[in-house]
Amino acid sequence: SQQGEEDPQALSIQEGENATMNCSYKTSINNLQWYRQNSGRGLVHLILIRSNEREKHSGRLRVTLDTSKKSSSLLITASRAADTASYFCATVNMNRDDKIIFGKGTRLHILP
Amino acid sequence: DTAVSQTPKYLVTQMGNDKSIKCEQNLGHDTMYWYKQDSKKFLKIMFSYNNKELIINETVPNRFSPKSPDKAHLNLHINSLELGDSAVYFCASSGRLASSYEQYFGPGTRLTVT
Repeated sequence: SQQGEEDPQALSIQEGENATMNCSYKTSINNLQWYRQNSGRGLVHLILIRSNEREKHSGRLRVTLDTSKKSSSLLITASRAADTASYFCATVNMNRDDKIIFGKGTRLHILP
Repeated sequence: DTAVSQTPKYLVTQMGNDKSIKCEQNLGHDTMYWYKQDSKKFLKIMFSYNNKELIINETVPNRFSPKSPDKAHLNLHINSLELGDSAVYFCASSGRLASSYEQYFGPGTRLTVT
C-alpha cells in the first residue's frame, strides 16, 4: 500500500521564493528520506531524517518531521531554476524488511 | 566514474520478446535494488539483493527474474514482455540496508513494449 503521500502534487513558484512540500505517511517509521528527480534522470538523495529527529538542514534545504502527525515537510529556500524537478519522500517502516516506499512526488516548477 | 550504471538506456521491443537490463555499481555497496516507475511517476520497489542474496521480492510476475552474479551487479531479465511492462526501470544501491542508508540510483532504462 502507498505509504508516503506528497502534497501538493504540483507547485509553481517564482525564482527566489521559498518552496514547501509536505509528506504524510501511515505507519511508524525508522526514518524518512527526501529525493529529487530531474526530468529523464534517476533519483538523487537529498536528506535523511531519523524518527528521533525533528529538524534537519542541508544548504538551502530544511526538513522537519512530526511523528505524532506522521508528516514531514521539505522547505527549499531562495529557489533557483535548477530546483525544477520532482521531489519524493520515502519511508522505511519499523520492524519491516528493508523495503523503502516512495510517495508519488511533488512536481516543482521554478518560474524565471 | 559513474556510480550506478544501467544498460541499455532505451529499449524498444515487441510483445512476447525476452529482454535483459544490466546494472553495475562501483560504490562497494552490499545492497542493490530494482524499481519500476510508471507513466504517472509512481516508483515501486520490485527486488532487493544483499550480498547476492534476495531479500525483497515484491508482488512481481514470474516473468521478471533478477540475477546477481556478484554484489556489484544486479541484472533484470524479463520474459514474454507485455504492453504493461512499459515503464522506466531504475537500479539502485545502498551501503547497507535502506533502513539506515541513502540509495544511489542509476539513470534508468526506458522500456517500451509495442
